[in-house]
Amino acid sequence: GENVEQHPSTLSVQEGDSAVIKCTYSDSASNYFPWYKQELGKGPQLIIDIRSNVGEKKDQRIAVTLNKTAKHFSLHITETQPEDSAVYFCAANNFNKFYFGSGTKLNVKP
Amino acid sequence: EAGVAQSPRYKIIEKRQSVAFWCNPISGHATLYWYQQILGQGPKLLIQFQNNGVVDDSQLPKDRFSAERLKGVDSTLKIQPAKLEDSAVYLCASSYGGVNYEQYFGPGTRLTVT
Repeated sequence: GENVEQHPSTLSVQEGDSAVIKCTYSDSASNYFPWYKQELGKGPQLIIDIRSNVGEKKDQRIAVTLNKTAKHFSLHITETQPEDSAVYFCAANNFNKFYFGSGTKLNVKP
Repeated sequence: EAGVAQSPRYKIIEKRQSVAFWCNPISGHATLYWYQQILGQGPKLLIQFQNNGVVDDSQLPKDRFSAERLKGVDSTLKIQPAKLEDSAVYLCASSYGGVNYEQYFGPGTRLTVT
């Protein structure tokens, strides 16, 4: 089956700085890569996603890049704000089944 | 549009007792997922339904866990008997299915087994 690895496990940045979270996957058949934000006591919230036929996607302060050759994808958050503090999960969809990374706890210091 | 609904939000039981969780997916979503999320880890798929049929239950501990999705809408997940290691958040998610992969999660049920 698919294996998704996520780094770093924790990330602390100053408000206004950028944050980057990276994930790798193992199965080249995976074709859809969502990112989720999970706040304490809540379910994961889909924040951005990318399909395998696209290299980059941007939505305001967040962007995702995909390198199919290297089998890795990254989440970029610019101009971070305290409300960005949460746990972020990447995932890979392989034959309509989702495989999740282990999560990155992002702390944005005011 | 209403989101994925789950109940209860919290449950505390003793080991060897039984418990059931309920999920109501987003209207029109054919695919429903149940995940187990242990503290500090990503969600792990337990079972996936397409309408009222099971697509994948390979990681469901079938000796104690069961799930059903009658009429292809609501779903229940049951644990009987519960073990200490079942303490986790149980998340329900849904999607339209097919090539519409976008998956939306409910708030989860936090289960504590003592």
